[in-house]
Amino acid sequence: GAGVSQTPSNKVTEKGKYVELRCDPISGHTALYWYRQSLGQGPEFLIYFQGTGAADDSGLPNDRFFAVRPEGSVSTLKIQRTERGDSAVYLCASSLGSGTGELFFGEGSRLTVL
Amino acid sequence: EDKVVQSPLSLVVHEGDTVTLNCSYEVTNFRSLLWYKQEKKAPTFLFMLTSSGIEKKSGRLSSILDKKELSSILNITATQTGDSAIYLCAVEWGAQKLVFGQGTRLTINP
Repeated sequence: GAGVSQTPSNKVTEKGKYVELRCDPISGHTALYWYRQSLGQGPEFLIYFQGTGAADDSGLPNDRFFAVRPEGSVSTLKIQRTERGDSAVYLCASSLGSGTGELFFGEGSRLTVL
Repeated sequence: EDKVVQSPLSLVVHEGDTVTLNCSYEVTNFRSLLWYKQEKKAPTFLFMLTSSGIEKKSGRLSSILDKKELSSILNITATQTGDSAIYLCAVEWGAQKLVFGQGTRLTINP
């Protein structure tokens, strides 16, 4: 596609439920990133994929968070047993992976945990 | 701990004014510094700076990096209401990871 696409744009769920957030990167971009942005804060790194593998998952806050990218394109961020503190905008970004640092962000998925 | 600090956190000016936004960082394995504009949801790329003292310019926006002072500034001249946004500074370190600052919320009043 022309840009990074994220679905859903909004997700409201109850505490304890499981959620999946999807990201479709720019075609041809090998690198894919997940960030989390809380209100009034800058984006916070969660995980980075180069191709199909998670090159760096050091930003995942705990083992309730998991992400996959099985075919090296679309990625899914999975959150188990959601907590109110997980409420945030989850941003996905992609890049050519050439180390330029320029990331192209999607519009984000706003997660609200009641 | 790696961190990026932006100032001011919020700024309100009149259309036509010139503004300067600041970013300072403490990051190991520095690779580059980037500026993004976030109007609603998706941050959009403005500049990437790797070399100290070399100004990057795009229209009314310009930015420069000072590696000695571990800082960068973003200047916007002749501001317009469309410049109202959150401006994010990020530092790339290690393997393509960005550490973002808190952002500066800029409001341009007509």
